[in-house]
Amino acid sequence: EIVMTQSPATLSVSPGERATLSCRASQSVRSNLVWYQQKPGQAPRVLIYGASTRATGIPARFSGSGSGTEFTLIISSLQSEDFAVYYCQQYNDWPRTFGQGTKVEIK
Amino acid sequence: QVQLQESGPGLVKPSETLSLTCTVSGGSISNSYWNWIRQTAGKGLEWMGRIYSSGSANYNGSVKSRLTLSVDPSKNQFSLKLTSVTAADTAVYYCARDARIGSYFWFDPWGQGILVTVSS
Repeated sequence: EIVMTQSPATLSVSPGERATLSCRASQSVRSNLVWYQQKPGQAPRVLIYGASTRATGIPARFSGSGSGTEFTLIISSLQSEDFAVYYCQQYNDWPRTFGQGTKVEIK
Repeated sequence: QVQLQESGPGLVKPSETLSLTCTVSGGSISNSYWNWIRQTAGKGLEWMGRIYSSGSANYNGSVKSRLTLSVDPSKNQFSLKLTSVTAADTAVYYCARDARIGSYFWFDPWGQGILVTVSS
């Protein structure tokens, strides 16, 4: 199966600063990548699909890029509601697999 | 909009069968793929399998020998049965729909999740 590796595990950022999250696939997943946000006690919520397309209602401060094996999620100016755990997930091959998550915490 | 709700026992004994149901409201279960995903502190998010409204299913090899998915269109529900459970199956179980635009897929919406603990 395709292993998704996210880094860093934890990112400490001050409100208003930029956050850069990375996701690496063990083999090419083309652009078949999704980013989710999860807050405590809630289910994950889709942010980005197709590696770079924002889902409906997602603010422009979230952007995704990459293809193949290297992907990046950028939050341009962190708001208080953005402190959460972020997961990448590939759907290029079966089984669909998730990264282990990056926790974005308040610095 | 479509909403999902998981239901089932929160406690299952080791070696027994874990059974969960996901009820779809606000839309039809027809013509979509429906997934089960679980989340543990140790392994994170794990996709378990999906079932189409017609009944055809795909399974993750990690649980394939123990997992059965089924769908009941008349009740707008789909279900999971996981046999021979151990403590490693303790998790929050989510149901989720395959959302799709063209060749792009993602899971949306998700149910709120149900915590299932395997313990005697």
